[in-house]
Amino acid sequence: EAAVTQSPRNKVTVTGGNVTLSCRQTNSHNYMYWYRQDTGHGLRLIHYSYGAGNLQIGDVPDGYKATRTTQEDFFLLLELASPSQTSLYFCASSDAWGGEQYFGPGTRLTVL
Amino acid sequence: GDSVTQTEGLVTLTEGLPVMLNCTYQSTYSPFLFWYVQHLNEAPKLLLKSFTDNKRPEHQGFHATLHKSSSSFHLQKSSAQLSDSALYYCALSDRTGKLTFGDGTVLTVKP
Repeated sequence: EAAVTQSPRNKVTVTGGNVTLSCRQTNSHNYMYWYRQDTGHGLRLIHYSYGAGNLQIGDVPDGYKATRTTQEDFFLLLELASPSQTSLYFCASSDAWGGEQYFGPGTRLTVL
Repeated sequence: GDSVTQTEGLVTLTEGLPVMLNCTYQSTYSPFLFWYVQHLNEAPKLLLKSFTDNKRPEHQGFHATLHKSSSSFHLQKSSAQLSDSALYYCALSDRTGKLTFGDGTVLTVKP
């Protein structure tokens, strides 16, 4: 089965803090995604990538940067964290457009 | 842009009764449609995916039929089980690989 891991699993920071969320997939998938999940809003796409060095903007990109350093690794960066970014963040990977997305276990971020 | 609408935020059923969760979509082309399920404190997982040849996908007793004429992909099961209690998302995939999710429906099955 496809494997996607995320770290850290929980993170608490203060307003204005700098946070990096990490995602690694070992499935040789080309596509990787970052989502946030909030009650009442479902899963919303922040950024996604077709491969190393590629970055595509999602539906809620403001306040987030992302970088895909290798086929396996995709990072989400919050350079000036705000309380509105308190959320559950999921990373996912897929082998092709229209293919099944495999989700990591999630990172719960709290910005005080 | 693409959008997915799930009209019910919360559905509560008694075990053994049929399940139907609604999903409609808007898209300028023929996308793939999906149902993902998320159990409490777990990550979302694929439940069903639409086929391009009008076959009806089925998994774990759930099925869904893609109706292009009405832009719908409703999820159905003939008899609900307690273990079906979860958050269900309908989603569509465009040709860039982007997945757009609905807001989700929480299904609670009671004894």
